[in-house]
Amino acid sequence: AQSVTQPDIHITVSEGASLELRCNYSYGATPYLFWYVQSPGQGLQLLLKYFSGDTLVQGIKGFEAEFKRSQSSFNLRKPSVHWSDAAEYFCAVGDLPNTGFQKLVFGTGTRLLVSP
Amino acid sequence: DTAVSQTPKYLVTQMGNDKSIKCEQNLGHDTMYWYKQDSKKFLKIMFSYNNKELIINETVPNRFSPKSPDKAHLNLHINSLELGDSAVYFCASSEISGGAEETQYFGPGTRLLVL
Repeated sequence: AQSVTQPDIHITVSEGASLELRCNYSYGATPYLFWYVQSPGQGLQLLLKYFSGDTLVQGIKGFEAEFKRSQSSFNLRKPSVHWSDAAEYFCAVGDLPNTGFQKLVFGTGTRLLVSP
Repeated sequence: DTAVSQTPKYLVTQMGNDKSIKCEQNLGHDTMYWYKQDSKKFLKIMFSYNNKELIINETVPNRFSPKSPDKAHLNLHINSLELGDSAVYFCASSEISGGAEETQYFGPGTRLLVL
């Protein structure tokens, strides 16, 4: 069955430092991969997604992610973190079960803390 | 202009009660979803509807009954609430019917606490 693993429950980064959040997936076919962000008390917002083409994907708020099929990974990166980036980050894989409609399978999330 | 809205935002109730959560999207999307986020932040799909038709039902107890009066609304009714139902419930919608690459747009969530 499809699954997503986010090995880091919490990560603390200094403001201005670079960030990498890890995501590994298990999926039999070509994966459709997503990163969503959840700010405190808010719903989820899409940062970026990959489904074909260039394996380096640019998203909103200065985020990017790289799809590496050989490592089954889709890590999220940002070169310089801002205090407003403190949030919960979710990696997800889009499954297309026999219903023909998308089903998102989420990882357990990584909480990003930004220190001054 | 809220794209996906949910009411109420907070819901505190006693065990055994029946409650409903409403969701509306003004994006013109065809597909809507309900997710449950537990206390450990784990997010899991419960249901999805496409043009008022149930598509996904992820082995959710029968006490949970979604209803879609039209494609812009997907409500969630919960009977005989239990302590374990305490969670944040998110509604979401997506534009295209089908396609694993679709973007889902999430509402702000309804925080349900069962006492």
